[in-house]
Formats: sequence, C-alpha cells, structure tokens
Amino acid sequence: DTGVSQNPRHKITKRGQNVTFRCDPISEHNRLYWYRQTLGQGPEFLTYFQNEAQLEKSRLLSDRFSAERPKGSFSTLEIQRTEQGDSAMYLCASRSRGTSGGPVSEQFFGPGTRLTVL
Amino acid sequence: AQSVTQLDSHVSVSEGTPVLLRCNYSSSYSPSLFWYVQHPNKGLQLLLKYTSAATLVKGINGFEAEFKKSETSFHLTKPSAHMSDAAEYFCVVSAAWFGNEKLTFGTGTRLTIIP
Repeated sequence: DTGVSQNPRHKITKRGQNVTFRCDPISEHNRLYWYRQTLGQGPEFLTYFQNEAQLEKSRLLSDRFSAERPKGSFSTLEIQRTEQGDSAMYLCASRSRGTSGGPVSEQFFGPGTRLTVL
Repeated sequence: AQSVTQLDSHVSVSEGTPVLLRCNYSSSYSPSLFWYVQHPNKGLQLLLKYTSAATLVKGINGFEAEFKKSETSFHLTKPSAHMSDAAEYFCVVSAAWFGNEKLTFGTGTRLTIIP
C-alpha cells in the first residue's frame, strides 16, 4: 500500500496524559498537513510542513500541541496534558509539489487517528 | 480569506434518481475547488477538482461539478444515485496557487440513498 498511513488508528487516554501520533506520507510528497475533525464537522487545518520546515500553524494549535517532521519524511503530532476537548479524529495528508506552472496537486489523506480523552 | 458553505447538511434520494449537493464558496483569490467523499471508517477520497481549466469538471464514479463564478457556486451532481454513494461529502476551497496551502472544508453533506 503506497498511500498515507497513520498510527495508531485509535487512542484512548485519560485527561492529563500525553499522546503522540505518527503520519507516514506518500514517499515522494514533500508537503505534509495535519487536520482535526470533530463529530459532525469538516476537517480543520492545524499545521503544514514543506520538507522538514513547519511553515504554517493554525490558531487551533495551542501550546500543548507540537508537530515535527525531522527528516522531511514522517511526521509526529504530540498533544501534552490532554483535555476532553481534544477528542477528535486527527487526519494527515500529503501532496507533491506539482509541476511548475501546472494546476495545484491534490492532497491525499490518511485514514486518521481517532483520539478519545476520558 | 476563504470559506465554503454547504447548503444542505443532509440529502436523501432514491436509488436511480439524480443527486445534487450544493456548495457556495468565498475566496479572495481565484480558488481551487474540490469535492471529497468520506465513507464510514475510511479516509477522505478526492472525487474531483477545479483548478481554473474547464468549468465543468468530471470526477470519479459518475460525479461532476460545475464552477460558476457569477454565482460563486460549485455544486456536485450525479445523474443516477447508487447505493454505494451513501457517504459524507465535503466541498473544499484552496488558494495553494497563491501560497495559502491549507484546505478549507465545508461542514459536510450526508447523502442517504433510499432503496
């Protein structure tokens, strides 16, 4: 399978604990994105990497959240001191740089990590 | 700034009848527009995309959408619904061509197919 993969698929944790999620993008994709989707809503943008550089962060990404992409390949999203409001599906997507002057390439999404904070 | 409004949170149609899912957008730039589908317990899948080429865009599984700048709309249609079309559909806007990489999703339309 050469799509975007995410691990774990499900995570249940107690309030106050730290959690870390991993995303492996499609291998030749240099752009990687994190989104959060709560029940009944569309995904909301959290942050974006181009290679190893984190170029944009949403205001949704509080100080308790940190994302890394150390070698420009896989990425991790860590949530410290989890709160019940952090319960959501966390989605990762990746896309290629596209062709110069051509249309924007699409983002390919992983299956997501569902976080439940008790 | 960019946003999308999906005008119906839930649409029900009978199998074999046409499907219409409505979407209006707002963007400070000439937008790229997408429709994604999300089946239960599966990842988001791209149905089709508009990136300033032809205004009538054909996608997978018989879906198509028409970009209407004057109406700021990008409605999704399919001539004949199939049971496998039951899913959540998201209209999405992007200004990546202008350096804004994030996708902005609508709140989604749940499509139910009646046998």
